Amino acid sequence: QVQLMQSGAEVKKPGASVKVSCKASGYSFTDYFIHWVRQAPGQGLEWMGIINPDGGGRAYAQKFQGRVTMTRDTSTATVYMELNTLRSEDTAVYYCGRCLLAREYSVVSWGQGTLVTVSS
Amino acid sequence: EIVLTQSPGTLILSPGERATLSCRASESISDNYLAWYQQKPGQAPKLLIYGASNRATGIPDRFSGSGSGSDFTLTISRLEPEDFAVYYCQQYGSSSYSFGQGTKVQIK
Repeated sequence: QVQLMQSGAEVKKPGASVKVSCKASGYSFTDYFIHWVRQAPGQGLEWMGIINPDGGGRAYAQKFQGRVTMTRDTSTATVYMELNTLRSEDTAVYYCGRCLLAREYSVVSWGQGTLVTVSS
Repeated sequence: EIVLTQSPGTLILSPGERATLSCRASESISDNYLAWYQQKPGQAPKLLIYGASNRATGIPDRFSGSGSGSDFTLTISRLEPEDFAVYYCQQYGSSSYSFGQGTKVQIK
């Protein structure tokens, strides 16, 4: 079955960077785009960006342009999301999610989430 | 960027009642690329509806999606106890895939 396994919780200081991984299994890794979505405590969902594991093309939400980088490693079927210059407002659970179909970009499978805490 | 506005913010209903949730976009969403998700506390979201009106695999038929252009609706025909949760719409018709702010369906 489709599984997305994310890396563990992180605690970072303001100004630092964090890199969250999302390892895919149970399907052909390069056939489906992967989203990154975050959720601050008690808040709604916020879309951060999307990456195409086949070729590495990506698109980022304007809010995160210049601060986020999404990459992939096809040899390990893993995607990464790195967020720089962290501030307290970046404290959130970060989710990766796989698209439903090759050309249908709703998110059908989700990772378990990674809590990133930014605190001095 | 397309802004999605969900209403109401909170819906207080009893089991067995009908729930109607609205999602309005700041501009027309191409090809009705609109999804609905359900989220319960401490869990990842769950896809209910994609393409505005297509139920995802395993989703009960009491959930239905409708609408086009910039106006979309999620209807739960008869609320079951497990349906009390927060619901989000998401558009993926532009290059930036935004979410609505959510509607909480609360038990009366």
